[in-house]
Amino acid sequence: GNSVTQMEGPVTLSEEAFLTINCTYTATGYPSLFWYVQYPGEGLQLLLKATKADDKGSNKGFEATYRKETTSFHLEKGSVQVSDSAVYFCALLLDQGAQKLVFGQGTRLTINP
Amino acid sequence: NAGVTQTPKFRILKIGQSMTLQCTQDMNHNYMYWYRQDPGMGLKLIYYSVGAGITDKGEVPNGYNVSRSTTEDFPLRLELAAPSQTSVYFCASSYGGQGNTEAFFGQGTRLTVV
Repeated sequence: GNSVTQMEGPVTLSEEAFLTINCTYTATGYPSLFWYVQYPGEGLQLLLKATKADDKGSNKGFEATYRKETTSFHLEKGSVQVSDSAVYFCALLLDQGAQKLVFGQGTRLTINP
Repeated sequence: NAGVTQTPKFRILKIGQSMTLQCTQDMNHNYMYWYRQDPGMGLKLIYYSVGAGITDKGEVPNGYNVSRSTTEDFPLRLELAAPSQTSVYFCASSYGGQGNTEAFFGQGTRLTVV
């Protein structure tokens, strides 16, 4: 079936460190891929997306590249800030009709000053 | 900009009680969804709707019911609460259609069944 696997958390980094959160997927077709972020006490919000192989999504200094050959969509940021502390979810969308998302388990990120 | 609004934010239920989680959106979105989020797990889809009068089961529908009488509202009903339904519930909506795939989420309802 369709599934998303994220690196185990929690992840703790110092401010200005480089961030990578790994995400791999299994899908029967050609999904669109997403990163959603959940700040404390809030609902999820879209961070970035990519709709086809080799696309790069970017937003707020975060980037992720859709790698079909490795079925991956790793999230990266060159210099994290305390305000980036949140839970990050990788997700895929395969059913274009109903647009149902399949989520990974989430990775909690804490940035220390 | 209200977006997606869920009520209540917190609730404690006793086993066997029933309740309705309310969800309303003011973006005129066609598609609406209910997810549950368990600790250390991703979000699981409970039910979804692609328009008023149309609902369908997601991955984990047992123990829940939904209705979609208007575009704006998509309430989730728990008829006989069980401890396994302790979770955080998120309602989401999206416009639908090619290229409009961003989902907008409510702030969540934390439900505890004791």
